[in-house]
Amino acid sequence: DTAVSQTPKYLVTQMGNDKSIKCEQNLGHDTMYWYKQDSKKFLKIMFSYNNKELIINETVPNRFSPKSPDKAHLNLHINSLELGDSAVYFCASSPLAGALGNEQFFGPGTRLTVL
Amino acid sequence: AQTVTQSQPEMSVQEAETVTLSCTYDTSESDYYLFWYKQPPSRQMILVIRQEAYKQQNATENRFSVNFQKAAKSFSLKISDSQLGDAAMYFCGILYNFNKFYFGSGTKLNVKP
Repeated sequence: DTAVSQTPKYLVTQMGNDKSIKCEQNLGHDTMYWYKQDSKKFLKIMFSYNNKELIINETVPNRFSPKSPDKAHLNLHINSLELGDSAVYFCASSPLAGALGNEQFFGPGTRLTVL
Repeated sequence: AQTVTQSQPEMSVQEAETVTLSCTYDTSESDYYLFWYKQPPSRQMILVIRQEAYKQQNATENRFSVNFQKAAKSFSLKISDSQLGDAAMYFCGILYNFNKFYFGSGTKLNVKP
């Protein structure tokens, strides 16, 4: 059974387009995250949601908007895509936002290529 | 600001040998957790080991162990009896304030047969 799933796994699109990446977790976790991994493999947190509420919003262009319809889903919408948005985007989840030290479970990643 | 630094972009080790990956961090928080994650070519992020900052005893998981020096803000990962399957990117990370999670830039580990 897939714990954290992302769709699509690969996304190739033109500059200026709007696209979405979906994330679902079936672990019953309270907290979900979006990370961006650039070409140099640097992994940076973008957003964190706890029970559908935004907790962390790092310095990310407002073209990126997370949407959490329920606790099990955290989708990432990107408007007006730019070349620099090309990266691998990882979704992750962890249990009990109030408990330190919880392992994050990562999805398989979505490789976004903007042409 | 919270930062995590991995000063070794790439390392190599002979199969069955031991290798140590370095990680230093900077935080003003008193409560935090430190992690090492492994990312093989499949891209999947896998937790390797976790250390609670309030524990002095170094965490161990089979062939993986850490050397946690809290005063020096150092958290190195030692891999003993290296195996070909250990080849991957390794990311050091810090978790504080329940949800703030930051990674270093990663170290690519090559394992030579």
